[in-house]
Amino acid sequence: AQSVTQLDSQVPVFEEAPVELRCNYSSSVSVYLFWYVQYPNQGLQLLLKYLSGSTLVESINGFEAEFNKSQTSFHLRKPSVHISDTAEYFCAVTIYGQNFVFGPGTRLSVLP
Amino acid sequence: GAGVSQSPSNKVTEKGKDVELRCDPISGHTALYWYRQSLGQGLEFLIYFQGNSAPDKSGLPSDRFSAERTGGSVSTLTIQRTQQEDSAVYLCASSEMGVYGTEAFFGQGTRLTVV
Repeated sequence: AQSVTQLDSQVPVFEEAPVELRCNYSSSVSVYLFWYVQYPNQGLQLLLKYLSGSTLVESINGFEAEFNKSQTSFHLRKPSVHISDTAEYFCAVTIYGQNFVFGPGTRLSVLP
Repeated sequence: GAGVSQSPSNKVTEKGKDVELRCDPISGHTALYWYRQSLGQGLEFLIYFQGNSAPDKSGLPSDRFSAERTGGSVSTLTIQRTQQEDSAVYLCASSEMGVYGTEAFFGQGTRLTVV
């Protein structure tokens, strides 16, 4: 069975500073990896995903994540955060034909 | 519809009553998922429907919880004899199986409060 660990439950960071949200997974088979974002009082939205190919994937709003197979990690990074990035971020894994397994989430708070 | 629709958006019920939560997935999506999000917690998997296959019920927390999916589309999650610990946001998602690497699309959720 797959599992996902997000070691940081809360990450406070000042506006325009860089941020990294950590995600590690365990699986005996190849997985697809996802980052979802949940803004306050909203549903979950896909931020980015890794399927295969280039290990670095990017979102339209400046986030990027790098798949590292040897470290079984898929950390999310942004070089300069905005107040509007304040949200809960969830890492998820799935294998074809199975349900999505989510991590416990990381609450990113961007401070002015 | 354009997205996953859940109803009601909010539900307050008395302890011991039964509740039904509804999910309308995106048209054509053959996979449907139910998750539960308790206050300050992550997403807890409940049940997964995939096409005509038998559902994966491994996440249902007790026999008070059940779900069905009629006609391969709409799904209903039923909680019998609700308890206060059932209070949470119940999220439904759907995806298009058979398409490489498709993501799950989530509804806005039903906030259940058991008083």
